[in-house]
Amino acid sequence: DAKTTQPPSMDCAEGRAANLPCNHSTISGNEYVYWYRQIHSQGPQYIIHGLKNNETNEMASLIITEDRKSSTLILPHATLRDTAVYYCIVRVLAGGNNYGQNFVFGPGTRLSVLP
Amino acid sequence: DSGVTQTPKHLITATGQRVTLRCSPRSGDLSVYWYQQSLDQGLQFLIQYYNGEERAKGNILERFSAQQFPDLHSELNLSSLELGDSALYFCASSPRGGSGELFFGEGSRLTVL
Repeated sequence: DAKTTQPPSMDCAEGRAANLPCNHSTISGNEYVYWYRQIHSQGPQYIIHGLKNNETNEMASLIITEDRKSSTLILPHATLRDTAVYYCIVRVLAGGNNYGQNFVFGPGTRLSVLP
Repeated sequence: DSGVTQTPKHLITATGQRVTLRCSPRSGDLSVYWYQQSLDQGLQFLIQYYNGEERAKGNILERFSAQQFPDLHSELNLSSLELGDSALYFCASSPRGGSGELFFGEGSRLTVL
């Protein structure tokens, strides 16, 4: 699986958009971009994923550049409860006989939402 | 609530002992993953099972073993425990045919004294 690079930490004012970047310059054509977050010592929580098109759900938006070498997770109106470590992962989608893939979590970005 | 249940939530034991951590995946999920998270390290993938069979192995020590039972619950066995085994142990499950996302339990915090 391709490696990702994220800034170690970021701050964001409450109510403002949080834009978390991720570099995955060695991503291959069949690898998806996944975002998870971990609040304090809770279990990581799935946020969103995408292949090449921008995606949006109730939690966030994912913007993937046209060359797919980087992406940005956007939390449109950050709240204090969004303070967490955010992980960007690239991974081949499991399917057929491809069950042996695992998610490799890097150090992530520690987002602090400030009042 | 992810639907993944892990027990026990907390466990304190002594060096040299053996413990078993249990995970019940979400209803219908066939894949179970185990991860270890130490204080000074990130989430480390240990092992994955799919419908009772081992599918992938990560940085799992020989003192550790796991299995997935016919009812799809999984157990992680840690033996000859050392101080450095103190960590959070997470279990996750994923559905077959889904989009590949993992659903994590709340973890089992192991303290080895």
